Amino acid sequence: KAGVTQTPRYLIKTRGQQVTLSCSPISGHRSVSWYQQTPGQGLQFLFEYFSETQRNKGNFPGRFSGRQFSNSRSEMNVSTLELGDSALYLCASSLDQGRNTGELFFGEGSRLTVL
Amino acid sequence: GESVGLHLPTLSVQEGDNSIINCAYSNSASDYFIWYKQESGKGPQFIIDIRSNMDKRQGQRVTVLLNKTVKHLSLQIAATQPGDSAVYFCAESLKTSYDKVIFGPGTSLSVIP
Repeated sequence: KAGVTQTPRYLIKTRGQQVTLSCSPISGHRSVSWYQQTPGQGLQFLFEYFSETQRNKGNFPGRFSGRQFSNSRSEMNVSTLELGDSALYLCASSLDQGRNTGELFFGEGSRLTVL
Repeated sequence: GESVGLHLPTLSVQEGDNSIINCAYSNSASDYFIWYKQESGKGPQFIIDIRSNMDKRQGQRVTVLLNKTVKHLSLQIAATQPGDSAVYFCAESLKTSYDKVIFGPGTSLSVIP
């Protein structure tokens, strides 16, 4: 069974631009979560989607947005990029079977550098 | 804000010794706790979890201990191996929101051969 796939793996943008990152969850997983990882802040929760609906949201500005498609694939978008947005963006999927497990399966991340 | 903190940011142990990684959590309403391991260049990987109705759970070479009285979580790794070198994160979530998992800052474990 294929794992969580994130694209692109690496990208470089300049301040003011916008970026879209993609995540394909493990087949059968309906919940997709996004995290931002930086050396200074660690793993920060961005948002979580289930059945195309945002179910949970972290404390990030409105420049960070996401969506989920009917096939459970998810995208996140960051507009008006700032230098501080440079980070590893991790996507994780889970089964969400009656909330009996919280195990998250992570992708390898998309490394964003903002110049 | 929401946070789960660690007592030790770095830990070096001799190969074969036991490792203990500690974690303090702040939300007394959290009832599900997980340990993840992150190796360089990879996403975090699930190690072991524990629910708040338990105080100990064992896996293969790993044991998680939960002390709800002092809001403390620990991960014990027996006979630490070089392949255990990684960053370890504790994480917490609420029963009503298992898919909102809040991570601690992480502890870097370095195994000395």
